[in-house]
Amino acid sequence: TQLLEQSPQFLSIQEGENLTVYCNSSSVFSSLQWYRQEPGEGPVLLVTVVTGGEVKKLKRLTFQFGDARKDSSLHITAAQPGDTGLYLCAGAFPPGKLIFGQGTTLQVKP
Amino acid sequence: SAVISQKPSRDICQRGTSLTIQCQVDSQVTMMFWYRQQPGQSLTLIATANQGSEATYESGFVIDKFPISRPNLTFSTLTVSNMSPEDSSIYLCSVASGFDYGYTFGSGTRLTVV
Repeated sequence: TQLLEQSPQFLSIQEGENLTVYCNSSSVFSSLQWYRQEPGEGPVLLVTVVTGGEVKKLKRLTFQFGDARKDSSLHITAAQPGDTGLYLCAGAFPPGKLIFGQGTTLQVKP
Repeated sequence: SAVISQKPSRDICQRGTSLTIQCQVDSQVTMMFWYRQQPGQSLTLIATANQGSEATYESGFVIDKFPISRPNLTFSTLTVSNMSPEDSSIYLCSVASGFDYGYTFGSGTRLTVV
């Protein structure tokens, strides 16, 4: 069974604080993707990491893929209320199957 | 990237009845995926739908309960059959976005079974 352990599941912070979300597995993925989902909408892709050790930045968001391609992290710097939402990591297996982590519900208070 | 139109957006159904959810994509795609998202939880893959062949179901999901049609390369339906309150969830369809290995999702169907 392929499992993705995502932590923490809930996070409530003040505007301006930093945070990190972790995604860990015993499986090796061909790629790992991060999505953000808002109420009433489907998940929207933020980034895909493919190469072990890869780091990608998207404005205040930094994504890292572990060297062994089994884990990933999402770091948000100076969080803003607009960052509030459900963050999901998903491991990709050919030919197109995604396994999602449990999700992290982030609330950023003004 | 692909744009998906999913409907209905929500429905309240009586137990024992069936609901068919439709997904229309604005481009031709080989595979379409159906997911379930139970209240407050993450997404679980139900099945993969290929045009011209039977859908492939994940462990814990069966064709009799979740029949899927894929009549062409832009359309698919998922039926939730003989519904019970435990089927109350958000159901989403998805296709490869063609961008950065990612996937595009429909906005989901919020199903409540009473």
